[in-house]
Amino acid sequence: DIQLTQSPSILSASVGDRVTITCRASQIISDWLAWYQQKPGKAPKLLIYKTSSLESGVPSRFSGSGSGTEFTLTISSLQPDDFATYYCQQYNHYWTFGQGTRVEIK
Amino acid sequence: QVQLVESGGGVVQPGKSLRLSCAASGFTFSDYEMHWVRQAPGRGLDWVASISYDGSNKYFADSVKGRFTISRDESKNLVDLQMNSLRAEDSAVYYCVRGTAAGDYWGQGALVTVSS
Repeated sequence: DIQLTQSPSILSASVGDRVTITCRASQIISDWLAWYQQKPGKAPKLLIYKTSSLESGVPSRFSGSGSGTEFTLTISSLQPDDFATYYCQQYNHYWTFGQGTRVEIK
Repeated sequence: QVQLVESGGGVVQPGKSLRLSCAASGFTFSDYEMHWVRQAPGRGLDWVASISYDGSNKYFADSVKGRFTISRDESKNLVDLQMNSLRAEDSAVYYCVRGTAAGDYWGQGALVTVSS
């Protein structure tokens, strides 16, 4: 099974900060990686698919990069609406999710 | 617009069964793989099962293999998750998800509580 490890688990940041979340896969997954945002009591929302493709309607301050086993989600300028939990997901072989990164207000 | 609406959640005793349904609308159902993902209270996302667009291929997480089954009804645009031999650790919100690659649409979730 493919394991995904996100870091950090909790990220404290301020509005306007540039933030980066890392996701490492236990084996090569090509570029079959997605990122989701989840707010309390809500279903996850797809932000990025195929490592770097922005889902329709998602603000351009979100971007993804990486390949092979190491991937990043970057928010270029954190906005109040961005405080949430973020998950990476691989879909190279079935589905696996990372454990999540909570972005909280500093 | 795309809609996924789960139903069938509730409280069930350990060892018993429960069937979740997901009603899909707003898209060509037969074009998409469908998935179930769960989230225990305060925990992360956990993939449960997937079914191919035509129902010919089904995949399960090791934690539910042999206990859960997944099916789809093209005539009704439904995808079901039959859960047998339920355990306390199966307690979670279960989401129905559309996606032939990543999950681009998610339902609102159905809460399943396994407790005596």
